[in-house]
Amino acid sequence: DQQVKQNSPSLSVQEGRISILNCDYTNSMFDYFLWYKKYPAEGPTFLISISSIKDKNEDGRFTVFLNKSAKHLSLHIVPSQPGDSAVYFCAALGALISNFGNEKLTFGTGTRLTIIP
Amino acid sequence: EAQVTQNPRYLITVTGKKLTVTCSQNMNHEYMSWYRQDPGLGLRQIYYSMNVEVTDKGDVPEGYKVSRKEKRNFPLILESPSPNQTSLYFCASSPGGTYNEKLFFGSGTQLSVL
Repeated sequence: DQQVKQNSPSLSVQEGRISILNCDYTNSMFDYFLWYKKYPAEGPTFLISISSIKDKNEDGRFTVFLNKSAKHLSLHIVPSQPGDSAVYFCAALGALISNFGNEKLTFGTGTRLTIIP
Repeated sequence: EAQVTQNPRYLITVTGKKLTVTCSQNMNHEYMSWYRQDPGLGLRQIYYSMNVEVTDKGDVPEGYKVSRKEKRNFPLILESPSPNQTSLYFCASSPGGTYNEKLFFGSGTQLSVL
């Protein structure tokens, strides 16, 4: 049972436009959410995170929005650049699920973002 | 340079032939973990370790073993590999502690079991 879902396997966006990547989760015990970015032949790297006590977190061109009632989060990239082309993984964890913090980080299936020059 | 190093990057083997994928980190991290990435399934945790001699199962531990005899190393052992273990494997580490979510990943090991 996939507790973190990314329903769009791929997304293509024109350079300079906004990229919006979506993620849905089913486990109401998740209270911390993260996005990781992965280039080919490399491991994922941490991008941005958000706690459930917030509904928005911004870091430069990247903003994550959280809608707890809908169990939905999204990553906005503005403006999109060619270097943003990568696979993006949504991930979640919850204090009540784990004893120590991050041993139950649950990842989504990933969305491949392609920025068209 | 701070990094997580996995070896080998690519491995082709046959069913039943024991293999070990090594993982080493030079950041003095307490927490280490193994994931596998499969199409349509994302990243799934195999095993994790909170510290030396402390390991526990993740979501898909069947067919795998790990050990954490020293802080920097966390090898993944497949005693009798099977074709369904063909996958892309990632080792990761973090300093540890509550909500230390910023995992540092290795570059991956592509394993094919024939």
